[in-house]
Amino acid sequence: QITLKESGPTLVKPTQTLTLACSFSGFSLSTDGVGVGWIRQPPGKAPEWLAVIYWGDEKRYSPSLKSRLTITKDTSKNQVVLTMTNMDPVDTATYYCAHRRGNWGGFFDHWGQGTLVTVSS
Amino acid sequence: DIQMTQSPSTLSASVGDRVAITCRASQSINNWLAWYQQKPGKAPKLLMYKASTLESGVPSRFSGSGSGTEFTLTISSLQPDDFATYYCQQYSSYWTFGQGTKVEIK
Repeated sequence: QITLKESGPTLVKPTQTLTLACSFSGFSLSTDGVGVGWIRQPPGKAPEWLAVIYWGDEKRYSPSLKSRLTITKDTSKNQVVLTMTNMDPVDTATYYCAHRRGNWGGFFDHWGQGTLVTVSS
Repeated sequence: DIQMTQSPSTLSASVGDRVAITCRASQSINNWLAWYQQKPGKAPKLLMYKASTLESGVPSRFSGSGSGTEFTLTISSLQPDDFATYYCQQYSSYWTFGQGTKVEIK
């Protein structure tokens, strides 16, 4: 059974760096084909993909946010960490991590419950 | 960037109705398309992938079709549990979601 759970601050100030952790179970990020992604969803809006990390440590970032994002994995801890620099109020959203499956880019078949991050001074 | 456009944005329907949601890609994505259902306060739930493959455990009243740039999610007989927001997502080049279609009670 695959489960994921996000953790991190609920409130950050503008210009600060956000660090979120995704702790997961039921799969290993050292298994061929496996990936974990981060997706965010501003209140009342559609989801927006941010980053994905694959089993071989290959990483993909949203082109529009690439300069602000870093995704890393700790296979021994079953954890993926996302950092986003220079936070702004428009970055207020629920941040989800999700298990990626499938061919080509792959889709997200299991999601965490999400964590709401508010950016405000 | 590949843009995904859904229509309609809102759909009012009754239990038992057949409903269809359309998703258009700004360029061909072959059949690298997924559909998700989301209820308020919950994470999106995968319904369909590769345009027409039903995810395990999803009721058979959901079906998907299309390839290239135009896709459809159909619910053959709307059930009370189906009132939610639906998103398409392409995974041909990175990942992009549509803006969503809210299915509400008529």
